[in-house]
Amino acid sequence: DAKTTQPPSMDCAEGRAANLPCNHSTISGNEYVYWYRQIHSQGPQYIIHGLKNNETNEMASLIITEDRKSSTLILPHATLRDTAVYYCIVRLRSNDYKLSFGAGTTVTVRA
Amino acid sequence: GAVVSQHPSWVICKSGTSVKIECRSLDFQATTMFWYRQFPKQSLMLMATSNEGSKATYEQGVEKDKFLINHASLTLSTLTVTSAHPEDSSFYICSASRDGTEAFFGQGTRLTVV
Repeated sequence: DAKTTQPPSMDCAEGRAANLPCNHSTISGNEYVYWYRQIHSQGPQYIIHGLKNNETNEMASLIITEDRKSSTLILPHATLRDTAVYYCIVRLRSNDYKLSFGAGTTVTVRA
Repeated sequence: GAVVSQHPSWVICKSGTSVKIECRSLDFQATTMFWYRQFPKQSLMLMATSNEGSKATYEQGVEKDKFLINHASLTLSTLTVTSAHPEDSSFYICSASRDGTEAFFGQGTRLTVV
């Protein structure tokens, strides 16, 4: 799986959009970009994934650059409950669903 | 959405004893489950892949005789930490995938060995 690079931490104001960047310059053509988050002392939670098109669901939006070397997760209206560590993971889509977690970005939403 | 449940959520045990952690997929069958370990302020590290009806596959550096994994049914995998020591104290998390599109994680088990 390709390596990803994320900023170690970022702050966000409650009610504002949070934009979380991820670099994955060595991504191959059939690798997907996945985002998970982990709230303190809980198991990770799936957020969204995409291949090359932008994706949106009830939690977030995923914007992938045209060259696919980077992406941005957007939390449209951050709340205090969105405070968590966010992981960007690149992987092939297969039934062998083991994930390689990096350090992630610690996002702190402030009132 | 699919739910994966772990039990117990936390456990304290004495050094030298064994502890069993259960991971259940509540509304789907999972032929493969994964076990992770997370030390404080660190990321998740994959320990092993649990395969229903066959032996688990361990990651490099993980002692298979210490961390016994049993995947006896399509909805249950267990991790037994044998002869636990304080350095085994950690947050253990399991995951399973229903259809290969996304992984669902249990809530984690906090193990403290005293």
